[in-house]
Amino acid sequence: GAGVSQSPRYKVTKRGQDVTLRCDPISSHATLYWYQQALGQGPEFLTYFNYEAQPDKSGLPSDRFSAERPEGSISTLTIQRTEQRDSAMYRCASSLVEGGEQYFGPGTRLTVT
Amino acid sequence: AQSVTQLDSHVSVSEGTPVLLRCNYSSSYSPSLFWYVQHPNKGLQLLLKYTSAATLVKGINGFEAEFKKSETSFHLTKPSAHMSDAAEYFCVVSGDAGGTSYGKLTFGQGTILTVHP
Repeated sequence: GAGVSQSPRYKVTKRGQDVTLRCDPISSHATLYWYQQALGQGPEFLTYFNYEAQPDKSGLPSDRFSAERPEGSISTLTIQRTEQRDSAMYRCASSLVEGGEQYFGPGTRLTVT
Repeated sequence: AQSVTQLDSHVSVSEGTPVLLRCNYSSSYSPSLFWYVQHPNKGLQLLLKYTSAATLVKGINGFEAEFKKSETSFHLTKPSAHMSDAAEYFCVVSGDAGGTSYGKLTFGQGTILTVHP
């Protein structure tokens, strides 16, 4: 596609519900990253993929967070049993290769009430 | 592990005056450094990047940054601010090219730039 897209752009959910966020990277980009950005902070790394492989999950805050990229293109980030502290902007980025320039999507603003 | 410190959370300048956004980094290797800009309700956009070539890096919209290893600094400058420069700016360091998670970016806390008419 022309750029990285994310959906939904905004999501409000009640505490305890599960949510799934979607990222559609630039086509042919091998590497995809997820970041979490709390209000007033810089983005923080969550996890990344090289095609389908997920070499690093070290940034995922707890086992309630999981990510997939089953066919090496679109990725989803799922948060189970959401908590208020999960409220943040979730940003996805892709790059042609690992270490290459990252192109960011517009983000998904998640609010947990 | 690498880290980034942006020394000012807010910077306010008048239109037409110089801009200086300060950044210090910590890294155990020769890092790649970036500046990203985030306009309200928009995604992050790369302004410029340093990857061990020239120490003075020119970016888009008239911005430039100088890598100073002795001072572990990577300050962002622009000679003359424009109203459209008002945004949040992030100094960023990437992972070690020889290590795992090479592309993992570590962001500073951000500097909000306000430009007054």
